[in-house]
Amino acid sequence: QSVLTQPPSVSAAPGQKVTISCSGSSSNIGNNYVSWYQQLPGTAPKLLIYDNNKRPSGIPDRFSGSKSGTSATLGITGLQTGDEADFYCGTWDSSLSTVVFGGGTKLTVL
Amino acid sequence: EVQLVQSGAEVKKPGESLKISCKGSGYSLGSFASYWIAWVRQMPGKGLEWMGIIYPIDSDTRYSPPFQGQVTISADKSISTAYLQWSSLKASDSAMYYCARRADSGWFLDYWGQGTLVTVSS
Repeated sequence: QSVLTQPPSVSAAPGQKVTISCSGSSSNIGNNYVSWYQQLPGTAPKLLIYDNNKRPSGIPDRFSGSKSGTSATLGITGLQTGDEADFYCGTWDSSLSTVVFGGGTKLTVL
Repeated sequence: EVQLVQSGAEVKKPGESLKISCKGSGYSLGSFASYWIAWVRQMPGKGLEWMGIIYPIDSDTRYSPPFQGQVTISADKSISTAYLQWSSLKASDSAMYYCARRADSGWFLDYWGQGTLVTVSS
């Protein structure tokens, strides 16, 4: 059971938009920055979003992040088949004194 | 470009010991030793689990509670390498293990190694 809760799967058609939620508590998301990672099949995770809504160099602006209270959301627009991957949210948990991750969400582009 | 290169896949028997490595290079700002290195476990078909983190400059190490006492994280700053080791492997240690660099500005991982697959089977 992960500390952060994500939907197991989401799907949408190419060109459409999808959002992935990440729910936590005041000890983690509520008082700390959220990051998002993309894990393409058979590869290592890659940083997609940090500090709630910032994109590292090289990440297209089709990917966006937001946070409100104890929840965060990853948005992906203009879906491409190459976006099919597992997505994880992560943040610091002040009560556990460790980084915690969501259980991951599998994106299918139909 | 920052690179973290991990040692190759391992097949071990229960009870055996193991030490896997993660070598950093390409740090244009600062050095390997000045960035925390984390270890993350991914069991087959499962999500990411934070195991612990080390600061190579002084080997300050923090473990996630489920992994405290189960593994040892270490580093040798002279060769820009971090390690994850087990003294007595169990079948349940079979997983992919990633090292990753903690960014200097917060609790997120900006560069990841390619992963080391550990298989423990009799």
